[in-house]
Amino acid sequence: DSGVTQTPKHLITATGQRVTLRCSPRSGDLSVYWYQQSLDQGLQFLIQYYNGEERAKGNILERFSAQQFPDLHSELNLSSLELGDSALYFCASNTGGLNSPLHFGNGTRLTVT
Amino acid sequence: AQTVTQSQPEMSVQEAETVTLSCTYDTSENNYYLFWYKQPPSRQMILVIRQEAYKQQNATENRFSVNFQKAAKSFSLKISDSQLGDTAMYFCAFMKPHNNAGNMLTFGGGTRLMVKP
Repeated sequence: DSGVTQTPKHLITATGQRVTLRCSPRSGDLSVYWYQQSLDQGLQFLIQYYNGEERAKGNILERFSAQQFPDLHSELNLSSLELGDSALYFCASNTGGLNSPLHFGNGTRLTVT
Repeated sequence: AQTVTQSQPEMSVQEAETVTLSCTYDTSENNYYLFWYKQPPSRQMILVIRQEAYKQQNATENRFSVNFQKAAKSFSLKISDSQLGDTAMYFCAFMKPHNNAGNMLTFGGGTRLMVKP
């Protein structure tokens, strides 16, 4: 168990809808990262937050947004969903230190029908 | 921007044998970290091993070891005495450290490893 909690585990929704994915980082970790893994592909970095502030942005669509709350949990909001958004969405956390490895949650499987 | 390349999409190995997974990367940085993550069928991402670029000694974790060649920008993973539970997707990843900001991982495309009984 990595200590990173993601909910829900599975999500099925229709095109055009909006969903929210939630992540609770490991105790003591200040930094949260979101990654997208499409079928049989590698992980694409979406966005990173550190202690409530956005720190880095990757290939995140404008339809997607995220935030990190004062209690350090994070939410990834996906709107106007398309079939191509179907993927496994991972949250990871670390302390933010120079050599702190990322610890991943079990992911949220999003299926858009 | 950094790139990570895993040139072997799929590999197989007999149980108890040794297998080496390749990874190359491209960066202009001198200080960085490299990782291997394992993703079994459960889809969980599990940290296998990590290497600091400033360390010449190759990292080892039980049956897992790396061959880090900084000049060649190569970071291969060797799995000794392969076990059925090693069957998984393996991802090589690069991290450039930043102060007070956490660190983003750049992943390779992965190598699917099948351990055969």
